[in-house]
Amino acid sequence: DIVMTQSPDSLAVSLGERATINCKSSQSVFHSSNNQDFLAWYQQKPGQPPKRLIYWAATRASGVPDRFSASGSGTDFTLTISNLQAEDVAVYYCQQYYSPLPITFGQGTRLEIK
Amino acid sequence: EVQLVESGGDLVQPGGSLRLSCAASGFSSSSTWMTWIRQAPGKGLEWVAKINQDGSEKYYVDSVKGRFTISRDNAENFLYLQMKSLRVEDSAVYYCAKGHWTFDYWGQGTLVTVSS
Repeated sequence: DIVMTQSPDSLAVSLGERATINCKSSQSVFHSSNNQDFLAWYQQKPGQPPKRLIYWAATRASGVPDRFSASGSGTDFTLTISNLQAEDVAVYYCQQYYSPLPITFGQGTRLEIK
Repeated sequence: EVQLVESGGDLVQPGGSLRLSCAASGFSSSSTWMTWIRQAPGKGLEWVAKINQDGSEKYYVDSVKGRFTISRDNAENFLYLQMKSLRVEDSAVYYCAKGHWTFDYWGQGTLVTVSS
């Protein structure tokens, strides 16, 4: 199984500032068949199901504000939230689908307001 | 509007059985893979099982193989998860989700508690 490791486990950022969350996979999730990284990001607010933010490592899902951006390739990925808003308080998960049996998620990163 | 609504979660004793349901609306559920994902209380996300459009392909995480069965009723737009020989470690909120690589829609989840 591909192991996904996020860092940090939690972070506190001031409103209007930038938050950066990292995700590392135990093996590359880049597939040469379509030159894409099989990596997604989700946001889970308290008491809610996860919401897909990003897929193909850097493609924003429909309706996701452009304050959310993502980058990386191979084994190292980053989710960046610019101009942090109060509604961004959530747990964020990365997920690989390069090896979909099983699909695996990172352990999550809790984002709070400082 | 796409909606996924799970039901069937309950308190059950170890070794017991439960069937979860997921009612899909707002899209043609027969056109897409569907997946069950669970989340133990205060923990992260764990992929559980997925099923293809016509139900001919089913895949499971190792920890539930032989105990859980995923199925679907495309005529009624329902997804199911039959769970047998339940263990304490199966306790979680179970989400149904649309898709099989990434998941663009999720239900609100249904809570399964396995305890004596």
